[in-house]
Amino acid sequence: QVELQESGPGLVKASRTLSLTCTVSGDSISSGFYYWTWIRQPPGKGLEWIGYVYHGGTTNYNTSLKSRLTISADASNNQFSLYLSSVTEADTAVYFCARVATTIEWGRGILVTVSS
Amino acid sequence: EVVLTQSPATLSLSPGERATLSCRASQNIKNYLAWYQQKPGQAPSLIIYDASNRATGIPARFSGSGSGTDFTLTISSLEPEDFAVYYCQQRSSWPLTFGGGTKVEIK
Repeated sequence: QVELQESGPGLVKASRTLSLTCTVSGDSISSGFYYWTWIRQPPGKGLEWIGYVYHGGTTNYNTSLKSRLTISADASNNQFSLYLSSVTEADTAVYFCARVATTIEWGRGILVTVSS
Repeated sequence: EVVLTQSPATLSLSPGERATLSCRASQNIKNYLAWYQQKPGQAPSLIIYDASNRATGIPARFSGSGSGTDFTLTISSLEPEDFAVYYCQQRSSWPLTFGGGTKVEIK
């Protein structure tokens, strides 16, 4: 059974870069079958797909975040990461990493607060 | 992108009652629709995938139906642990999108 665990700072200053890492166990991110994905949820609101990294490093990003976003994979450590630059308070959310195919397998999520 | 519209936003019901949740897609997504349940402070949890297939361990009181643009999640008789927020999600095309959620609350 796959497990995903988000890690990173819970507080980021406005205009800085938000960096999160997802550590995967129980599966290999190099397996080529799943999309290794980030999804976020602002407090009290709904779910927003951020983007994914796929086998070989192929990425796909939410168009509304594309100019500020990088998602990358580290196969040697079985991790993938999110980098979101120039953050504002609107980027405050719980960030989930996930394994996506027919269904979504979720990490527990990490709350990231952007402070001004 | 596919827009998913859920209704109602809030459903106030008593334990033992039947809950009917709707999800409408802005275009034909065949049967590529899932339903997730989310409780406060937790990640969403899969209930139904591909419109009508119950996930492992999900009780039979949960059922899903629909195809194309109109989908329904039915909870035949609400148990106390079923009061939560429910999201639909499509995988027909990228970007993955989610409905705005239906909160099932105790009346």
